[in-house]
Amino acid sequence: QITLKESGPTLVKPTQTLTLTCTFSGFSLSTSGVGVGWIRQPPGKALEWLALVYWDDDKRYSPSLKSRLTITKDTSKNQVVLTMTNMDPVDTATYYCAHRRQNSNYVNYFDYWGQGTLVTVSS
Amino acid sequence: DIQMTQSPSSLSASEGDRVTITCRASQSISSHLNWYQQKPGKAPKVLIFAASSLQGGVPSRFSGSGSGTDFTLTISSLQPEDFATYYCQQSYNTPYTFGQGTKLEIK
Repeated sequence: QITLKESGPTLVKPTQTLTLTCTFSGFSLSTSGVGVGWIRQPPGKALEWLALVYWDDDKRYSPSLKSRLTITKDTSKNQVVLTMTNMDPVDTATYYCAHRRQNSNYVNYFDYWGQGTLVTVSS
Repeated sequence: DIQMTQSPSSLSASEGDRVTITCRASQSISSHLNWYQQKPGKAPKVLIFAASSLQGGVPSRFSGSGSGTDFTLTISSLQPEDFATYYCQQSYNTPYTFGQGTKLEIK
């Protein structure tokens, strides 16, 4: 059974760096085709895709946030870490990590999600 | 970035109704289109992937269709547990953008 869980601070100050950890079980990030992504959702707003790391350590970022984001994986710990620099109140959101699956026709989708963690940016 | 536009943004319907939500991509995405359902305070749940493939465990009243730029999610007979917000997402190119959501409310 695949599970994912996000952890990190619930409150950060403006200009600080946010570090979120996604700890997962039920799959290995060293298995070909596997990926873990981060998605966020400001209160009452839509989902926003942030970043994705693949089994081969290929990494993809949202262009609008690329300069502020870093995604890394630790296969031995079954963890994926997202860092976001220079936090601003507009970054207040629930942050989700999710398991990315690829079907036989190479369509990707997120089939398992963590419960999400609400991060508030305020002084 | 590929822009995803859903319509309507909100929808009121009654139990038993047939409901259709549309999603349009700003460029062709073939069949790289997924649909998610989200209930308040919960993580999204995938319903349909690859435009028309039903995720395991999802009731058959949910169906998806389309290819290229125009897609639809249909719920054939609304059940009380279907009142939620629905999002489309393209996975053709990163960033894997989401639509703005469609809130389905009880009439």
